[in-house]
Amino acid sequence: QSALTQPASVSGSPGQSITISCTGTSSDVGGYNYVSWYQQHPGKAPKVMIYDVNNRPSGVPDRFSGSKSGNTASLTISGLQAEDEADYYCSSYTTSSTLFGTGTKVTVL
Amino acid sequence: EVQLVQSGAEVKKPGESLKISCKTSGYSFSSYWIGWVRQMPGKGLEWMGIIYPGDSDTRYSPSFQGQVTISADKSISTAYLRWNSLKASDTAMYYCARGRGSTSFDYWGQGTLVTVSS
Repeated sequence: QSALTQPASVSGSPGQSITISCTGTSSDVGGYNYVSWYQQHPGKAPKVMIYDVNNRPSGVPDRFSGSKSGNTASLTISGLQAEDEADYYCSSYTTSSTLFGTGTKVTVL
Repeated sequence: EVQLVQSGAEVKKPGESLKISCKTSGYSFSSYWIGWVRQMPGKGLEWMGIIYPGDSDTRYSPSFQGQVTISADKSISTAYLRWNSLKASDTAMYYCARGRGSTSFDYWGQGTLVTVSS
């Protein structure tokens, strides 16, 4: 099993919108509506930002949104803020297992 | 309040065995999947496996099948990750996390750093 593919880095200025892609196959991202997104600040445990493609847990700002088209899922951060600078990982269910993405470093310019 | 508290950092030699723990509180331990995630130094997250304490149903990533053992003790609401023979390449941070179903994680432990060095 290979990790899902994410861009290594994405950057944006405060207030801008950015989108992180997560590309898999029909056996994972494309086959199930079980894509999640996690935010990880340096030295900290990951935190779920989106689950089941486009659901936000309580307490996560509505600036974060998720979507999916075919074998590619996306996380969009609207109105980028300084505290959004972190690593982001997607994950997808696959038969009896889960795959994480390669991770994307988000930099706020 | 849901809490997952992991055991402390470990320094071990190659070939040694190790069992790290994840003590949970604030929810019904038997009713939620709990999983383990590896993060090697400077690298990304890797899903290792999950267990449903209610019936001990356990699933492993093919990458970790046979390399580690995941278990749970319902009587003390604690999950475990065990190695029989550590390798230097097992050096990593290991996180436990509660499952939202079996498809994502909603609460995470603070991580346990395992260092394997001769």
